[in-house]
Amino acid sequence: AQSVTQPDIHITVSEGASLELRCNYSYGATPYLFWYVQSPGQGLQLLLKYFSGDTLVQGIKGFEAEFKRSQSSFNLRKPSVHWSDAAEYFCAVGFNNNDMRFGAGTRLTVKP
Amino acid sequence: DAGVIQSPRHEVTEMGQEVTLRCKPISGHDYLFWYRQTMMRGLELLIYFNNNVPIDDSGMPEDRFSAKMPNASFSTLKIQPSEPRDSAVYFCASKRGTDTQYFGPGTRLTVL
Repeated sequence: AQSVTQPDIHITVSEGASLELRCNYSYGATPYLFWYVQSPGQGLQLLLKYFSGDTLVQGIKGFEAEFKRSQSSFNLRKPSVHWSDAAEYFCAVGFNNNDMRFGAGTRLTVKP
Repeated sequence: DAGVIQSPRHEVTEMGQEVTLRCKPISGHDYLFWYRQTMMRGLELLIYFNNNVPIDDSGMPEDRFSAKMPNASFSTLKIQPSEPRDSAVYFCASKRGTDTQYFGPGTRLTVL
């Protein structure tokens, strides 16, 4: 069965510092991979997605993610975090673009 | 585009009452998804439609839950009778073809 794990429930970083949010998945083939962000009281907004091709994916708001097949990972990165990045981040995996499984989420706090 | 529209944004009801959540997908989108988000279980897919037809309802928790999509611009999720454990945020999402899903702002349901 496909599943996705986000090992970090909560991460705190200082503004301007780099960020990496971890995501590991379990699936027999290369899945569709997504990162979404959710601000308090809001819906989910797509940051980036990977279907195939270049394993380094660029997204919105300066985020990028790298698909590593050998590690079954799809970690999200940003070189310099802004206070407005404070939110909850969800990794999702699907064998197609319909049936997605979401991770439990990682809550990001940004210190001034 | 107005995005996915959900109503109401907040609903408070008493146990045993019927609850109806509404969703208007983005115009031109042929897929519609209903999700539920709770602290305990995270974000779960309940059901999705393609061209107004339910494709996969395996995530619907029990017979008290039902969803309909009478036309391409409207869907409802009904809970009858409601129970306190149904308290959650319910999201609607839509997409076109193989494109990514766009989420609505959610309906926060509280069942007393």
